[in-house]
Amino acid sequence: DAGITQSPRHKVTETGTPVTLRCHQTENHRYMYWYRQDPGHGLRLIHYSYGVKDTDKGEVSDGYSVSRSKTEDFLLTLESATSSQTSVYFCAIAASGDIQYFGAGTRLSVL
Amino acid sequence: AQSVTQLDSQVPVFEEAPVELRCNYSSSVSVYLFWYVQYPNQGLQLLLKYLSGSTLVKGINGFEAEFNKSQTSFHLRKPSVHISDTAEYFCAVSDFSNTGKLIFGQGTTLQVKP
Repeated sequence: DAGITQSPRHKVTETGTPVTLRCHQTENHRYMYWYRQDPGHGLRLIHYSYGVKDTDKGEVSDGYSVSRSKTEDFLLTLESATSSQTSVYFCAIAASGDIQYFGAGTRLSVL
Repeated sequence: AQSVTQLDSQVPVFEEAPVELRCNYSSSVSVYLFWYVQYPNQGLQLLLKYLSGSTLVKGINGFEAEFNKSQTSFHLRKPSVHISDTAEYFCAVSDFSNTGKLIFGQGTTLQVKP
């Protein structure tokens, strides 16, 4: 987890509320990723970024948006949280398009 | 598009016994291959990787994996497991594009019993 901080680590929210998760890195890596982890599905890519203000969709992007205004921060926003978005969210970083390093995760519960 | 199948959801094994966790992948292009380990309530830690070169790769904690292109497999092995190896293990692939997007398998829970 060195060099990657996810906040908050735990969050409970209600259906319909907006939620923003933050990933902060101190490695100055170009690539950043958001995944969600669900039992039986492994990890699935939500969105990724290949530079400041350069982002693209992953496999399960519906209901999520991202922003990257600085190299070190990558924000994931749930515009209107639903119970199906209850999950553990992981941020990852990579210097180039090969080896990724993961944060400790954010456990989100949507009631 | 790539896909990854981990053939066992749970693998129980006794301490000091050998173990193999199986991973098969599907891809129309050349890939990079990875194994990650996740200890309870923690993030993912890179165990080992195959990028090119020798098909037998060694990782941390005594684990190794062999890339078999003809069988599209990347099985993880350890000759003697410890209680501390109890964790969930994920196989992942990415293509040679510069985005580095990873496709993960469903995960295999290794349960090491005393």
